[in-house]
Amino acid sequence: EVQLLESGGGLVQPGGSLRLSCAASGFTFSSYAMSWVRQAPGKGLEWVSAISGSGGSTYYADSVKGRFTISRDNSKNTLYLQMNSLRAEDTAVYYCAKDYVDIVATNLFDYWGQGTLVTVSS
Amino acid sequence: EIVLTQSPATLSLSPGERATLSCRASQSVSSYLAWYQQKPGQAPRLLIYDASNRATGIPARFSGSGSGTDFTLTISSLEPEDFAVYYCQQRSNSITFGPGTKVDIK
Repeated sequence: EVQLLESGGGLVQPGGSLRLSCAASGFTFSSYAMSWVRQAPGKGLEWVSAISGSGGSTYYADSVKGRFTISRDNSKNTLYLQMNSLRAEDTAVYYCAKDYVDIVATNLFDYWGQGTLVTVSS
Repeated sequence: EIVLTQSPATLSLSPGERATLSCRASQSVSSYLAWYQQKPGQAPRLLIYDASNRATGIPARFSGSGSGTDFTLTISSLEPEDFAVYYCQQRSNSITFGPGTKVDIK
């Protein structure tokens, strides 16, 4: 059974940093691209970042480029999101999501974690 | 950035009725359009990809159509568990989601 478990969310002041983790199980982690998608309270979905299965290619939404860094440790089956220079508008539930197909990234997401809440406030 | 617009914002229907949801793209996304369902307190669920292909395990009452800039998600006969928010997503140029359509019980 595929499972994705996010952790690392919490309350942080504007300008602060936070690192999110997503522990994956139930599939060959290194074969799948992974993404982070966020959802502000009561709002819609916003794609944040993606990474290839090998970790060699990374992609970012313009809204987070230069502030967030996605990475993965395939030996630990874990996905990360390092978030720096956080702003109030980054407040959201952050989901990690698994790509639908192995080997080639499709940017379709068939499994999602339950999310971790990040609140940026003074 | 490709902007997706969904209509209506809210659709009030009764179980057994047909639901028709629309998604319009600001420029052509070819057939790279997907639909997701999200229930309160839950993560989204992939329903349809590439405009008309049902994802694994999705019931046949869900169908998608369209290409270019205009797309439709149809639920042929609403089941109680189908009342939720539906998002469209394009993957033609980066990744963007629409604002969602809420299907609620009339």
